[in-house]
Amino acid sequence: DIQMTQFPSALSAAVGDRVTIACRASQSVSSWLAWYQQKPGKAPKLLIYKASSLEPGVPSTFSGSGSGTDFTLTISSLQPEDSATYYCQQYNDYSRTFGPGTKVEI
Amino acid sequence: EVQLVQSGAVVKQSGESLKISCQGSGYMFSSYWIGWVRQRPGKGLEWMGLVHPPYSDTRYSPSFEGHVVISADTSISTAYLQWDSLQASDTATYFCARVDGLRIQPGGDFWGQGTQVTVSS
Repeated sequence: DIQMTQFPSALSAAVGDRVTIACRASQSVSSWLAWYQQKPGKAPKLLIYKASSLEPGVPSTFSGSGSGTDFTLTISSLQPEDSATYYCQQYNDYSRTFGPGTKVEI
Repeated sequence: EVQLVQSGAVVKQSGESLKISCQGSGYMFSSYWIGWVRQRPGKGLEWMGLVHPPYSDTRYSPSFEGHVVISADTSISTAYLQWDSLQASDTATYFCARVDGLRIQPGGDFWGQGTQVTVSS
């Protein structure tokens, strides 16, 4: 069973700041890593798939990198609407494990 | 337009059974898997498992195997998540999602609105 960890668990930053969230898998997931954004009371929204591919319609301020076991999500210029919880998810196998989440406050 | 519409919120007693649903429309239901995700109040997302409707091929995450049953009925484009005996710890919002097997295709990620399940002891 692949375990996912994320850090930090929460962060506070100002509008315009550059923010980086890290995600680590307990074993290699190649590039089969996605990032989701979730706002309270809403379903998750896909931001990044295959570690670094931007989902259509997602602002280019979001980017992803990494492969194997270590990945990062970067928000290059934080906006008020980016206040949310962010989850990484591996889809290298059918267990499709999520990380514990990172809460981003503006 | 692709849509996943889930059944409404429900309140149950501990020990009761429950089956919630997720109906797909706007796409070929049999061409995709349907996955289920649990989110307990104030907590993170937990992947429960998924079903491939045309073959009833079901894969469970280890934490959920034996505790829930995931199924689908292709004739009405609907997937289900069911419990034989609910516990208070099953109190959560449950989301369904359209899944492209072991891959994610651009523009192909769709989720239901969530079903809130409350279990009182």
